[in-house]
Amino acid sequence: SQQGEEDPQALSIQEGENATMNCSYKTSINNLQWYRQNSGRGLVHLILIRSNEREKHSGRLRVTLDTSKKSSSLLITASRAADTASYFCATDANDYKLSFGAGTTVTVRA
Amino acid sequence: DVKVTQSSRYLVKRTGEKVFLECVQDMDHENMFWYRQDPGLGLRLIYFSYDVKMKEKGDIPEGYSVSREKKERFSLILESASTNQTSMYLCASGSLASDSYEQYFGPGTRLTVT
Repeated sequence: SQQGEEDPQALSIQEGENATMNCSYKTSINNLQWYRQNSGRGLVHLILIRSNEREKHSGRLRVTLDTSKKSSSLLITASRAADTASYFCATDANDYKLSFGAGTTVTVRA
Repeated sequence: DVKVTQSSRYLVKRTGEKVFLECVQDMDHENMFWYRQDPGLGLRLIYFSYDVKMKEKGDIPEGYSVSREKKERFSLILESASTNQTSMYLCASGSLASDSYEQYFGPGTRLTVT
């Protein structure tokens, strides 16, 4: 069953701006992951945050996790045209299966 | 680099046909997964497998079956294709190692059933 829900559904920003998207989930998790999907392609893993972590960085990506609120956010700083994609959060309840949300579509305008 | 390949990028089949979607991974991963992706619904898990000859139902297994005869290959079978199975199908693989939870995805097969 789908567990994650991303917000907003779509986001349009200017190149160089930051993009923030949120994910809420319903049940307890072992870890939460973010994936990117370029148009019509497979998903690419971006970053994983474990349930005992609160924040994680990877390059221009910053992920936060608040297990008390069952929510996570993904921040992309200094966005580029190549960041145009759909972003999905996925939760893992410690059984190696992922539950995905419907995704946030990000458009970066030049 | 991990590579997950799927047999076709685009496929058009007629209602009632038997359809095979093939997926191969080259990383010796134990876990393999089949998802379908529909607009507004995200990815939904159809079937997964933790080992050769093992399979488990996901969230939407109805109308599908799978086969895993070799560790690197996981096949999705539509016994009798229907128009509501028109979708993007994504295969993924992953390791059972305790510190490695991410999944690696193939490029997807866009199936149209007419």
